Amino acid sequence: SQQGEEDPQALSIQEGENATMNCSYKTSINNLQWYRQNSGRGLVHLILIRSNEREKHSGRLRVTLDTSKKSSSLLITASRAADTASYFCATDSGAGSYQLTFGKGTKLSVIP
Amino acid sequence: DAEITQSPRHKITETGRQVTLACHQTWNHNNMFWYRQDLGHGLRLIHYSYGVQDTNKGEVSDGYSVSRSNTEDLPLTLESAASSQTSVYFCASSISNTGELFFGEGSRLTVL
Repeated sequence: SQQGEEDPQALSIQEGENATMNCSYKTSINNLQWYRQNSGRGLVHLILIRSNEREKHSGRLRVTLDTSKKSSSLLITASRAADTASYFCATDSGAGSYQLTFGKGTKLSVIP
Repeated sequence: DAEITQSPRHKITETGRQVTLACHQTWNHNNMFWYRQDLGHGLRLIHYSYGVQDTNKGEVSDGYSVSRSNTEDLPLTLESAASSQTSVYFCASSISNTGELFFGEGSRLTVL
């Protein structure tokens, strides 16, 4: 069963706008990760946020984590057409586990 | 550069045949994983390994097997392919202390 669930399933924005994707999960985690997948390609790691962190930045990416609500958000600022991809959140299942459980993803389309 | 490669990238087979998908990584990572990706289900974990001679079942392991005889390779075998195993298969590896996954480009399998 899916640990993480992304919302929305699909998002279409204009180039230059910000894109926000949300992820909810069910059980305690050590960390939460976001991945990106271009059409027909493998997933690429974007950012990892640990359970004791609330916010993390990497370039145009901003990730927040609210462990009390079991939710995370990924913000992409000043989007570009090249950001068009599917975005997945992934969670581990607790201490000592390196298995990740992925959500179904948010498909982002950035219109030039 | 270190990498993770999957082969074949595309395969068509018939129901009942044995199929093996290869995964080779040159990062010397201990952890290796096999996922399948299907529309509506996201990525689901099939099998994983934390080191040589170690293998574990994931969420959807029925009909699949793996073996780990060295650090670099984790082949996935479908003993008797079924149409329900038509999917895109992704291999991934990770460093033990971060959990960040490095994915291959995927193997698209069609079972007729």
